[in-house]
Amino acid sequence: KQEVTQIPAALSVPEGENLVLNCSFTDSAIYNLQWFRQDPGKGLTSLLLIQSSQREQTSGRLNASLDKSSGRSTLYIAASQPGDSATYLCAPLSNMLTFGGGTRLMVKP
Amino acid sequence: EAGVAQSPRYKIIEKRQSVAFWCNPISGHATLYWYQQILGQGPKLLIQFQNNGVVDDSQLPKDRFSAERLKGVDSTLKIQPAKLEDSAVYLCASSLTDKLYGYTFGSGTRLTVV
Repeated sequence: KQEVTQIPAALSVPEGENLVLNCSFTDSAIYNLQWFRQDPGKGLTSLLLIQSSQREQTSGRLNASLDKSSGRSTLYIAASQPGDSATYLCAPLSNMLTFGGGTRLMVKP
Repeated sequence: EAGVAQSPRYKIIEKRQSVAFWCNPISGHATLYWYQQILGQGPKLLIQFQNNGVVDDSQLPKDRFSAERLKGVDSTLKIQPAKLEDSAVYLCASSLTDKLYGYTFGSGTRLTVV
């Protein structure tokens, strides 16, 4: 059974900082891994999808890396902004999409 | 392309009442999922459909939860009777069959059982 852990559980930073969100998973036999953003009271918005054969994906200020063999993924957020405040969820896809508990990010102006 | 549609957006019911949620996936997406997200936790899979067949319902509390996907398109998730611990956001997602593609989620239905 896949288990996903996200560290830290919560993070509060001043605007402009570069951030690192960590995700680890126990079953490395995955097809891909998605990073999602969730605003309070809203659904999930897909940020990045990394295929199992890829090492990283980039979209704007976001960069996600994947080390499948060690069961780790990292989401980098460059030059953080208050609008980045949300919960970030990591979800590897094996036989199903399994979520971690998320990292709640607060970026202060 | 239109996203995954869910309704209602919010629902408040008393315990022991019944409730139903509706989901319309992205056109052409063969696979549909229902997730339950309790406040402060990540989403947990309840049931997965491939077209109109159930692929995985191992985490669905079948004594009170049921789901169907008519004609392989829309889906309905029902709770009967509801308990206080069913208070959560119910998320529907869809994807293409090929595992190269990711999941797309709807906005969810927030259920409060009082």
